[in-house]
Formats: sequence, C-alpha cells, structure tokens
Amino acid sequence: AQKVTQAQTEISVVEKEDVTLDCVYETRDTTYYLFWYKQPPSGELVFLIRRNSFDEQNEISGRYSWNFQKSTSSFNFTITASQVVDSAVYFCALSGAAGNMLTFGGGTRLMVKP
Amino acid sequence: EPEVTQTPSHQVTQMGQEVILRCVPISNHLYFYWYRQILGQKVEFLVSFYNNEISEKSEIFDDQFSVERPDGSNFTLKIRSTKLEDSAMYFCASRVVRDSRTDTQYFGPGTRLTVL
Repeated sequence: AQKVTQAQTEISVVEKEDVTLDCVYETRDTTYYLFWYKQPPSGELVFLIRRNSFDEQNEISGRYSWNFQKSTSSFNFTITASQVVDSAVYFCALSGAAGNMLTFGGGTRLMVKP
Repeated sequence: EPEVTQTPSHQVTQMGQEVILRCVPISNHLYFYWYRQILGQKVEFLVSFYNNEISEKSEIFDDQFSVERPDGSNFTLKIRSTKLEDSAMYFCASRVVRDSRTDTQYFGPGTRLTVL
C-alpha cells in the first residue's frame, strides 16, 4: 500500500519569508512518481511538478524548488520569498508504476500574511 | 491551453436521488479519473477508466457509483442513490497515454455536490 504524509497541517508566514513544506512517502514500488499540486481558495487543483523515482535531481522553478531525497523517502517543497498569492493548500501525491491512481497526502494549508 | 472542464460547478440534491456529474477531458487524453474531496480532507481516488473500461477502482467506488464515456468527449460519474456522506467536491482528471515517465494527470475545476 502507498502512503503520503504531510505532517504540517497549517503553516503561517509573513510575506517574503522562505517556507518549506514537508512530504514523506511510503511505497513498495521500485519505480514511482511524486507530484505537488496547489489548491487555491477557488478550489481547483493545479499541477506544480512531477518527479520520477529514478531521477533524484532537484529542481528549481522561479521561487519554487523541490528537494527529492530517496534515502529518507521525502519530497519537500520550498517557496522562496513567499507572496500572498502563494496562500493555498498544497498537496503532495504519489503514483506507482503499475497503478495510475494518485495517493494524496493530507495537504498543508499555507497562509502568507502581508 | 487545453483544460479539463466539469459541469455543473455546484449540484444540490436530495438524499436518495440520482446525480450525474459531467466532465470533458482534454481532447487527446485517453486515461480518465474521478477523485473526491470531502470538505477539509484529502483528495481520494475513486476510479480510473481507459479504453472504455474501468482500469482501477477504490473501496469507495461501490455499486452506487458508475462511470461512462457516452460519446467521444464526455466522461460521466453517476451516483445512483445519494447519501449525506456523498457530499464532497468531485474532481475529474485526465492524462495522455504516451509515456508513464512523463504523463501527468490534469484536473478539472471540480463539482461541489451537496446532498440534503
């Protein structure tokens, strides 16, 4: 069975602070895929990034960066210089090689205050 | 940019009534999904659909639920006899079937179902 844990249910920061959202996963698959989705107050799920288990290279996209550590089964997400528009619920998700379903974590609600 | 669309955005129904939630996946996508999110909780997988048949389903997807691709563009989720606990946001997603190493599921905006 697959499991995704986002231990931080809610984080509050002041604008321009850096913030890291933690994600820990469990899977028996040797090949798997990790994702981050953003859910703004309007409710939709917006795809942010996908990482394959065989590619441990970290990625940066503007103010966003992701740190994939296979040794600790973690896929953490950092927002640098946070902005009010970053306020949302962020979900980490996992997909196995054989199945296609996404297993989501419980989400982290990020509140960025001006 | 192509998007997954869902209708209606909000559906209110009485307990025991049948509802049909509609989705139009991205046009060249071949794999379709339904997920649900009870208010304040995580997103849960319901069912996946490929080549006109269910590929995978969760324990939540019992006999009260069914899916259909009635034509070349729509993908529907039917709940036969709604219960109060079916109240949730229902998300449709789709992905192109090209390479599992790069394919990503793209989600629609959701349908909020309220069962009274």
